[in-house]
Amino acid sequence: DTEVTQTPKHLVMGMTNKKSLKCEQHMGHRAMYWYKQKAKKPPELMFVYSYEKLSINESVPSRFSPECPNSSLLNLHLHALQPEDSALYLCASSERPGGEMGEQYFGPGTRLTVT
Amino acid sequence: AQSVTQLGSHVSVSEGALVLLRCNYSSSVPPYLFWYVQYPNQGLQLLLKYTTGATLVKGINGFEAEFKKSETSFHLTKPSAHMSDAAEYFCASGTGFQKLVFGTGTRLLVSP
Repeated sequence: DTEVTQTPKHLVMGMTNKKSLKCEQHMGHRAMYWYKQKAKKPPELMFVYSYEKLSINESVPSRFSPECPNSSLLNLHLHALQPEDSALYLCASSERPGGEMGEQYFGPGTRLTVT
Repeated sequence: AQSVTQLGSHVSVSEGALVLLRCNYSSSVPPYLFWYVQYPNQGLQLLLKYTTGATLVKGINGFEAEFKKSETSFHLTKPSAHMSDAAEYFCASGTGFQKLVFGTGTRLLVSP
């Protein structure tokens, strides 16, 4: 089973709201990732968690706050977002962070609209 | 630094025709290479990967790719296109590190 689940599927939020995106995998993977994808563009890496510790932050604004409560779960907390943050947010996981077992499995994404 | 180039933002084929999507990589160390497919409003699905060993890699849905070190290429092929193959395809490169470098994507259009 190579399934990564994400909730919610769609989210509409105002610029003053606080919301969270959730990602879950039960494959025993030890690396998890958040990506942002704008229309007709490839995914852009935001954060990497390796063995439940934040290992990469791609200079993401502080209005995005990741959290990895355990090895199966990854959250992305959103606060005071801007309309330009509207995008598809993808979560991915891999057995190991990089290397031969570094292929990433993606969830279906959360379509976020900021109004 | 790694980079991935996908030639052609759009490729159009007829149903039953050969599919060829081009990917060239640039890496100072031997890369791991991946092809992903994305259907509208969905996540990315791994089609196939090259790590080490056999240079011809077979993936899901009848796709395959050949790693050619001399040409720094990893082109994706399928002998006979189906309407259901219409989607966005991304080539990606990784090394021993945690980042995947994606190409800009190629939209495959399949006409009846």
